[in-house]
Amino acid sequence: GEDVEQSLFLSVREGDSSVINCTYTDSSSTYLYWYKQEPGAGLQLLTYIFSNMDMKQDQRLTVLLNKKDKHLSLRIADTQTGDSAIYFCAESGRLTGGGNKLTFGTGTQLKVEL
Amino acid sequence: DTGVSQDPRHKITKRGQNVTFRCDPISEHNRLYWYRQTLGQGPEFLTYFQNEAQLEKSRLLSDRFSAERPKGSFSTLEIQRTEQGDSAMYLCASSLAIGQRQIVEAFFGQGTRLTVV
Repeated sequence: GEDVEQSLFLSVREGDSSVINCTYTDSSSTYLYWYKQEPGAGLQLLTYIFSNMDMKQDQRLTVLLNKKDKHLSLRIADTQTGDSAIYFCAESGRLTGGGNKLTFGTGTQLKVEL
Repeated sequence: DTGVSQDPRHKITKRGQNVTFRCDPISEHNRLYWYRQTLGQGPEFLTYFQNEAQLEKSRLLSDRFSAERPKGSFSTLEIQRTEQGDSAMYLCASSLAIGQRQIVEAFFGQGTRLTVV
């Protein structure tokens, strides 16, 4: 079955690193994603990682994937107040015709304090 | 290209009324998805189109819900006889597939927030 779990809240000080964790259950997921959602807004794709990779770095973002434990993390370096938002982890599943179904976690609310 | 566009952004309706939402995907994106997000939860998959064909529907999509994508461009999601439990954010996303190759990124719109009173 598909189930994605995340901790609900994370609070960090500006300038520190943030690490948001996620566990998933579908070992056949080809891609795993991180999305950001600001209040009242849609989802912004931050980054994604292919399931045969261990790590992906993109500017201040580092994604680590432990496929054995089905654990995904997102590290944000030098966290800024503008990073305050809800972060969603999502696993992918195949749909009829090759479409990509995303199963999301409940989201982690990141609060950045001065 | 302004990204995925959804209209309206907000809709308040009385229980029992019908509502229709529109999604304009990124131009040339041939795959279009609808998701629903309730308060405090992540989005849940509802249905998806490849061009004009609706290829899959979630069990979440009751008979009161219908989606169309008549010309393979914009899509509409209609809810008939709305109930309070339909109150949620309805999100649309689009992506591009070329032959067997899929661009893996799905881009979301700003959503339509529905409140049923």
